[in-house]
Amino acid sequence: EDQVTQSPEALRLQEGESSSLNCSYTVSGLRGLFWYRQDPGKGPEFLFTLYSAGEEKEKERLKATLTKKESFLHITAPKPEDSATYLCAVQEDSGAGSYQLTFGKGTKLSVIP
Amino acid sequence: DTEVTQTPKHLVMGMTNKKSLKCEQHMGHRAMYWYKQKAKKPPELMFVYSYEKLSINESVPSRFSPECPNSSLLNLHLHALQPEDSALYLCASSSGDMNTEAFFGQGTRLTVV
Repeated sequence: EDQVTQSPEALRLQEGESSSLNCSYTVSGLRGLFWYRQDPGKGPEFLFTLYSAGEEKEKERLKATLTKKESFLHITAPKPEDSATYLCAVQEDSGAGSYQLTFGKGTKLSVIP
Repeated sequence: DTEVTQTPKHLVMGMTNKKSLKCEQHMGHRAMYWYKQKAKKPPELMFVYSYEKLSINESVPSRFSPECPNSSLLNLHLHALQPEDSALYLCASSSGDMNTEAFFGQGTRLTVV
């Protein structure tokens, strides 16, 4: 069973049409949840870190929220340049000083002009 | 500055070749990582160096050999690779403290022929 599940796999939006991406996780002790944006053939670009339920972070048209079981990435009035794959990753409290990230499979967002 | 620099950007090598991938960061980070990413898949962790010591090796075949010469540099030595090793190889770094984000380089696109 996957520890990190992202939905939907792909999302097509009209420019200006707001929506949300979901990341659900099943790790027992969450140390941190991270959102990244990845363009084709490039490395992931860091967006947000969330540590505890109820936490929210914002950056331009993006807002990330966290509950005890899932995180949402809200995109308000998206533009074509927001088109990318959005990756969610969790860092589990393994007690061994591990910094390992476990990634979800990502949501591919396409914003149509 | 949150830059992680990887060289080369592209690499084509034969199955009998020996090559190296290089990664550099000047953020004072003490944890560095190698990830492998196949097309349309999330990054998969290969190795973690913490304070210049190998702390995680995710059962990676011995044809991949990591090296951390100092706190700013990370190498991945490649020898006798197989065509299925073709992928985007990503380097990342983080401060080394718990609960901190990892910053990724732009990756090396490796093709094994």
